[in-house]
Amino acid sequence: SAVISQKPSRDICQRGTSLTIQCQVDSQVTMMFWYRQQPGQSLTLIATANQGSEATYESGFVIDKFPISRPNLTFSTLTVSNMSPEDSSIYLCSVYRGGTEAFFGQGTRLTVV
Amino acid sequence: RKEVEQDPGPFNVPEGATVAFNCTYSNSASQSFFWYRQDCRKEPKLLMSVYSSGNEDGRFTAQLNRASQYISLLIRDSKLSDSATYLCVVRDAGGTSYGKLTFGQGTILTVHP
Repeated sequence: SAVISQKPSRDICQRGTSLTIQCQVDSQVTMMFWYRQQPGQSLTLIATANQGSEATYESGFVIDKFPISRPNLTFSTLTVSNMSPEDSSIYLCSVYRGGTEAFFGQGTRLTVV
Repeated sequence: RKEVEQDPGPFNVPEGATVAFNCTYSNSASQSFFWYRQDCRKEPKLLMSVYSSGNEDGRFTAQLNRASQYISLLIRDSKLSDSATYLCVVRDAGGTSYGKLTFGQGTILTVHP
């Protein structure tokens, strides 16, 4: 199994500020994925992050709002910028191991007040 | 129409009951299919992959019908520990969306004594 360390596990932030979430994987992976899970809903893919190239964003998500860094094959960050209460969600990073099984970080529970 | 749709639930069943979850997906080019389990305030974890021939893992049986674009999960002899949200998950075939997972909204199962 993959071990993904995600932090912070939770945060309460003021609107208008930004929060950077970090994910560290215990081995090198080509792609890392960032998801959002809004209250009571399922996971929605925000973007796919490949090392050495710009992240690929899904419809409805833009780089200015959710900038992503992927400096090496074991690490990625997602920033939630200029936050509003609507950004209150759980954010999760994910990687594949064995080609098919997706492993997830423990999630970051964000509350914007 | 949602890309992946699941039974609305929630399901409340007694211990020992058999319960079945259904799921349909809209993208006929989808390549891989899974059931994930998400416990309260935890990240999703793979329960089982779903193969065209059908597959079984202990009390859990998964079926895939590609022609109908339909996936099912059967849980026999339910245990209290089966209480969780069950997510139907579909993986795209490739190209620019390689590796992208699309999640159903999840079905909540509560098994009571």
